[in-house]
Amino acid sequence: QVQLVQSGAEVKKPGSSVKVSCKASGGTFSSYTISWVRQAPGQGLEWMGRLLPILNMTNYAQKFQGRVTITADTSTSTAYMELSSLRSEDTAVYYCARMVSTHLYYFDYWGQGTLVTVSS
Amino acid sequence: SYVLTQPPSVSVAPGQTAWITCGGDNIGGKSVHWYQQRPGQAPLLVVYDNSARPSGIPERFSGSNSGDTATLTLSRVEAGDEADYYCQVWHNSGDPPVVFGGGTKLTVL
Repeated sequence: QVQLVQSGAEVKKPGSSVKVSCKASGGTFSSYTISWVRQAPGQGLEWMGRLLPILNMTNYAQKFQGRVTITADTSTSTAYMELSSLRSEDTAVYYCARMVSTHLYYFDYWGQGTLVTVSS
Repeated sequence: SYVLTQPPSVSVAPGQTAWITCGGDNIGGKSVHWYQQRPGQAPLLVVYDNSARPSGIPERFSGSNSGDTATLTLSRVEAGDEADYYCQVWHNSGDPPVVFGGGTKLTVL
């Protein structure tokens, strides 16, 4: 059984950066594809990007290109999402999720979410 | 970019059947996945590849996909089914490649 446990809530100033972690247990972490999905208050789900650690391959949504970096430490089975140049519109719950990346591309396990609040 | 359209809300009485639709251009040619999200919780996969159920998801949850509409069907609805439901596809030629519908709030009357 795969479990994804994320770091705690963050409060950040506009213009700063935030780094959220996602520690995995169960399965073979390096073979996962980990995606990050965010959800603004009262809004829907928005995909930000993905990382396949075994290939060190990343893809980002164009909307976040240049501001988001997804990395992983395979020695600790932990993925990270760093978002820079934060603005108030980045206030959201950020989820990591394991992506089944055969031809189907869906998310079978999710972290509990990390609330990031951007406020001056 | 590819757009998925869901009704904002659907209401159903307990024990009845609810249908939640997800519209997209020729969505029948894609694999559609559905997630349930209860308030304050992370999304939970309830249907993948149009009609397959993950382990532990009741048979009351079923899916279909044809033409321009995919549908999540909840039979014998229970109070615990009240949640937001999101459809999702992979659109290989677009950005972003992962597309979610706007979500449907299911209310059990």
